Order: sequence, then C-alpha cells, then structure tokens
Amino acid sequence: DTGVSQDPRHKITKRGQNVTFRCDPISEHNRLYWYRQTLGQGPEFLTYFQNEAQLEKSRLLSDRFSAERPKGSFSTLEIQRTEQGDSAMYLCASSPTGISYEQYFGPGTRLTVT
Amino acid sequence: DAKTTQPPSMDCAEGRAANLPCNHSTISGNEYVYWYRQIHSQGPQYIIHGLKNNETNEMASLIITEDRKSSTLILPHATLRDTAVYYCIGGTQGGSEKLVFGKGTKLTVNP
Repeated sequence: DTGVSQDPRHKITKRGQNVTFRCDPISEHNRLYWYRQTLGQGPEFLTYFQNEAQLEKSRLLSDRFSAERPKGSFSTLEIQRTEQGDSAMYLCASSPTGISYEQYFGPGTRLTVT
Repeated sequence: DAKTTQPPSMDCAEGRAANLPCNHSTISGNEYVYWYRQIHSQGPQYIIHGLKNNETNEMASLIITEDRKSSTLILPHATLRDTAVYYCIGGTQGGSEKLVFGKGTKLTVNP
C-alpha cells in the first residue's frame, strides 16, 4: 500500500454512459498525475496537477475527458459518453514537488466498456 | 524525453543477480534515467534513478556507462517477488516530471 487510494477499483459500464473515478493522494503531496494503461503497454500520461491547478494535459485527453482537483487534495477523472476504446486501467500517482520523479501510484481503476 | 530500448523479457534464477539492460543513446546531458517496476495488478513502483554516477539503494543498483548511452539495473539477489515488468525511463527534472513509459522488460524469477 503506497498511501494513494483509488475508487472504484473496477467499473463496468455500457457504451455512452458517463463514469467518474476518484483518487486520494498522499496528503502532503502537491502533485497529482493521471495515467492510462492498456493491456501489454506501459502507462500513458494523461494529465497532472500542482495543487489545484491543472498544468499539463496530454493530447490523449480528448474533450470527453475532464479532471479536477478542486481543493488541491483528492482528484476526479470523468469520462463522458464512454467508448469501447476507453477500456483500460486508470492509474493515479502523487509526488511532492521537487521529488516528482518518485511518484507513488495507486492500485488503479479498471474500466470495462461494453 | 529520451527514447529507451529494453529487451521484452528476461529470466533469472532465484537468489542470483538480475541484470536488466537499457539503451538510451539519445539521452541528453540533463536527462536522468529512472527505473520503475510494476508487479502484476499493481501500480508502478519507483526503484532508483541516476544521472552520471552509479547509484545504490536498498532495492537495487544502477550502473550508467560513462557515455550515458546505456545503463543496467541490478537486483543483487532476486526473489520470486521481484517478478515484474521493469521500466527504464529517461527524463528531466524541473518540469512536470511526467513519466514516459515504454513497454519495459518482463522479468521472471524462477525457483
């Protein structure tokens, strides 16, 4: 247990539905990252926050994806109008500023879109 | 970020040293080499990082060649619990430090 928690751990949804995932980072960590991982591939960066500010978004993050970190603590990742291609493991990580190379990952949320 | 190349899979006997190579010939002078591993069904775990000098911590040793075009992660006494996918990542410090993962090396430690 790294101290980063994600909820839910598994989500099955039908195509076209909206889903929201939550990440609770290690409390003193300022930076929070979202990654997506498909089978057989390494994780791909989606977006990251410094406190409540979203500072970088990948081109992978289409308009259907939105992430928030309203009070600089927990974060949510919402996917609207899900597609089968969204099926993946969604990983959250956190790190303190200045030691951002040492990211602590949560267990992930596995999304299956049917 | 530097592109890294790793063998897709390796085997190691339990108790022996596991030496995982990584090529990063395009790495620039200010880019670090980071190593993470991912045990099945878990998120990635930071192992070690280095710039020029060899590094050692409680988990592993990192040997970086003098020209910095390649490195080797060494697990001195591999156990069955070290079976995982190992990722070698090149990146800079001072920016977002987003990690750019490749496919990594699947290390299987055999009894």
